[in-house]
Amino acid sequence: DTGVSQNPRHKITKRGQNVTFRCDPISEHNRLYWYRQTLGQGPEFLTYFQNEAQLEKSRLLSDRFSAERPKGSFSTLEIQRTEQGDSAMYLCASSSILGQKTPLRGANVLTFGAGSRLTVL
Amino acid sequence: GQNIDQPTEMTATEGAIVQINCTYQTSGFNGLFWYQQHAGEAPTFLSYNVLDGLEEKGRFSSFLSRSKGYSYLLLKELQMKDSASYLCAVIDSNYQLIWGAGTKLIIKP
Repeated sequence: DTGVSQNPRHKITKRGQNVTFRCDPISEHNRLYWYRQTLGQGPEFLTYFQNEAQLEKSRLLSDRFSAERPKGSFSTLEIQRTEQGDSAMYLCASSSILGQKTPLRGANVLTFGAGSRLTVL
Repeated sequence: GQNIDQPTEMTATEGAIVQINCTYQTSGFNGLFWYQQHAGEAPTFLSYNVLDGLEEKGRFSSFLSRSKGYSYLLLKELQMKDSASYLCAVIDSNYQLIWGAGTKLIIKP
């Protein structure tokens, strides 16, 4: 397994266009997260899935954002009618809740992908 | 509200020791993570503390005091490759991960 894979790594688009990012998590991980990060800030939670079920979505997430994980494997994050304020790094992370395999008392350690950088002109 | 405070930037010398502090005010506590993030790269896991005390892992150690809402990451024998941002994140009572803004560590020769 090569870890969490995201593509595209970079996307430049004009305001008003739609963009879609893809995330392929670590195969044995059943949880998948999307975060957004801007320069000098920590990751901002967007949404997460357990298998194919979207269990939580940030209240900060507008209706222009939608995420899917149709077969419980890869996930897509779509942003419709992009705005300049959407420019950020979009990070995907995956984890397993099988705590018995971790020495960390069941802690949910996230493994991040390299991110997809979005620039909206 | 929930808040994680870390210094914005720190500078240290190669071979020295540096301590990066993190204080938190969250609704409940279920553990604290430290992640390292090199510029333009993904955060990578460094350490996890859920009980008070010091956890040592090679050149890196992390300390937690739950009563004080305080943690620190201690980096020894600093190397140039340690130049990165260090993110503190706390799991709250709802098992949400609350992230600090990160501390940018600059290592000088």
